Amino acid sequence: KNEVEQSPQNLTAQEGEFITINCSYSVGISALHWLQQHPGGGIVSLFMLSSGKKKHGRLIATINIQEKHSSLHITASHPRDSAVYICAVRWGSGNQFYFGTGTSLTVIP
Amino acid sequence: NAGVTQTPKFQVLKTGQSMTLQCAQDMNHNSMYWYRQDPGMGLRLIYYSASEGTTDKGEVPNGYNVSRLNKREFSLRLESAAPSQTSVYFCASSETLGVTTQYFGPGTRLTVL
Repeated sequence: KNEVEQSPQNLTAQEGEFITINCSYSVGISALHWLQQHPGGGIVSLFMLSSGKKKHGRLIATINIQEKHSSLHITASHPRDSAVYICAVRWGSGNQFYFGTGTSLTVIP
Repeated sequence: NAGVTQTPKFQVLKTGQSMTLQCAQDMNHNSMYWYRQDPGMGLRLIYYSASEGTTDKGEVPNGYNVSRLNKREFSLRLESAAPSQTSVYFCASSETLGVTTQYFGPGTRLTVL
């Protein structure tokens, strides 16, 4: 069964800390999507990756195709970063994304 | 631009009742999607529409039907609601079905008693 696994499930950090959230998948993918789900429930796309690295503000996403692994980094974390971060992958030439269960991040002032 | 809008925001149904969840996008996107989100599980695709006039089953289509009314609107219908359909439903859209960013609506919280 193709799987998407995220770690850790829950993460608490102090404001200013560097944060890493991990996503591993079981077979080759054509794309990986990082999303943020706010405490109110809204979902926002952060990055779409098929290789390498992308950066937007304090967020950095990397993907290692050989190791079947992606990381989402948050530098200088802030309480407003508190949210659930979700990884989703598209297998090969498939038409749909499969989602991980998310990492719940709490940043304490 | 409103982005992706969904109605209603909340709904309570009794087992066996029917209802339609509405979704509209104003980004001129070709592809639209319906997902459900349950505690402890990732978002799961119910149905999607690659373009106007086409619909396809996703991972969990049983108990649902969809209509792509036009390019803007994509509705999800529950013909005979069951408690197992209690969930939060999200509609999303993207420029194409390929590797493009998906934009999500605010969600509909549905409870079936």
